[in-house]
Amino acid sequence: GAVVSQHPSWVICKSGTSVKIECRSLDFQATTMFWYRQFPKQSLMLMATSNEGSKATYEQGVEKDKFLINHASLTLSTLTVTSAHPEDSSFYICSARQGNTGELFFGEGSRLTVL
Amino acid sequence: GENVEQHPSTLSVQEGDSAVIKCTYSDSASNYFPWYKQELGKRPQLIIDIRSNVGEKKDQRIAVTLNKTAKHFSLHITETQPEDSAVYFCAASKDPSGTYKYIFGTGTRLKVLA
Repeated sequence: GAVVSQHPSWVICKSGTSVKIECRSLDFQATTMFWYRQFPKQSLMLMATSNEGSKATYEQGVEKDKFLINHASLTLSTLTVTSAHPEDSSFYICSARQGNTGELFFGEGSRLTVL
Repeated sequence: GENVEQHPSTLSVQEGDSAVIKCTYSDSASNYFPWYKQELGKRPQLIIDIRSNVGEKKDQRIAVTLNKTAKHFSLHITETQPEDSAVYFCAASKDPSGTYKYIFGTGTRLKVLA
């Protein structure tokens, strides 16, 4: 199957700093990528839909100024957690939709810990 | 709004028995229903999917059934094995090749007891 790579896999940062997470589709072009947040033993909470070349579509309750999403190319979307606080600590996971089949491929996830 | 309900939240079965996980979706326009398996600490991976023009699909020990009228779809795992232990998520989407988002169920933690 197609491969989606997410980086970094884990990151620890101080409160108030910003953290950027990258999501890359390695062997296919993805016009649409999705960003999720997953709490321990819970489901995938969709944060936003990232569309190549246009603004991301955020889900209700997700602060767009807090979670900046950029999808500058067909193979790369980035999520920047700005001015991170301990409550932003979570597992963030991206997915990319393969155009031909519509199948969703997930990245390996990024565990963010804000001290 | 769009919603996918998934039951049960946890399921324990003896090795060799069958496991059934059920989902209900709210948006009648949904036409693509994938199932994902997420092992501990790993990414979700597609195990089977079904489109609205099909009522049932099978792949070895895994099968999915869809009832469009009732807006239900179910995952069936037969002859369960310990390696089937994981969290399973159902999802619904309107247009898998377009830009529509996937709505995920809340997940089912399956434990297969040896």
